[in-house]
Amino acid sequence: DTEVTQTPKHLVMGMTNKKSLKCEQHMGHRAMYWYKQKAKKPPELMFVYSYEKLSINESVPSRFSPECPNSSLLNLHLHALQPEDSALYLCASSQASPWGKETQYFGPGTRLLVL
Amino acid sequence: DAKTTQPPSMDCAEGRAANLPCNHSTISGNEYVYWYRQIHSQGPQYIIHGLKNNETNEMASLIITEDRKSSTLILPHATLRDTAVYYCIVRVGSGGSNYKLTFGKGTLLTVNP
Repeated sequence: DTEVTQTPKHLVMGMTNKKSLKCEQHMGHRAMYWYKQKAKKPPELMFVYSYEKLSINESVPSRFSPECPNSSLLNLHLHALQPEDSALYLCASSQASPWGKETQYFGPGTRLLVL
Repeated sequence: DAKTTQPPSMDCAEGRAANLPCNHSTISGNEYVYWYRQIHSQGPQYIIHGLKNNETNEMASLIITEDRKSSTLILPHATLRDTAVYYCIVRVGSGGSNYKLTFGKGTLLTVNP
């Protein structure tokens, strides 16, 4: 089983709203990732968590705040977003260290629209 | 990571084999070739990966040339559900920035009835 789940599937929010995206995996994976995909573009890495600690932040603006409450769950808290932040947000996980050759498995994504 | 070059689009008839090429002429000895696909508005799906030898799984086969400068993903009997963008990604085996999958533009494969 290589399932990563993400909720919600779709989200519409205003620029003053606070919302959260949720990602869950029950494969025992210890590395989890957030990617962002703008329309007609390939996915781009945002954050990497390794063993529940933030390991990589790809210079993402502070209006995006990741959180890893436990080894199965990854959240992305959103605050004061801009319309250009509208995108498909993808979560992925891999078995162990992000620096190994383990395969990353992706969830279905949350499609976010910022008005 | 080595850059990859893929054709922007390809067509394939349903039931026929789909052969998707990828050039990675600057690949290093410790870099793997990964293939993912992304069906419209869904998350990328892992297909297969390899280092030197040809690989096969239930989804596809990966043929890597002896000099490792190019590879071909083969879907043996394409179906309409295989219509997707296929990404060829070269990734170092450990260390460096291998935590990051660097997606290129990929190939849009359209399977026609």
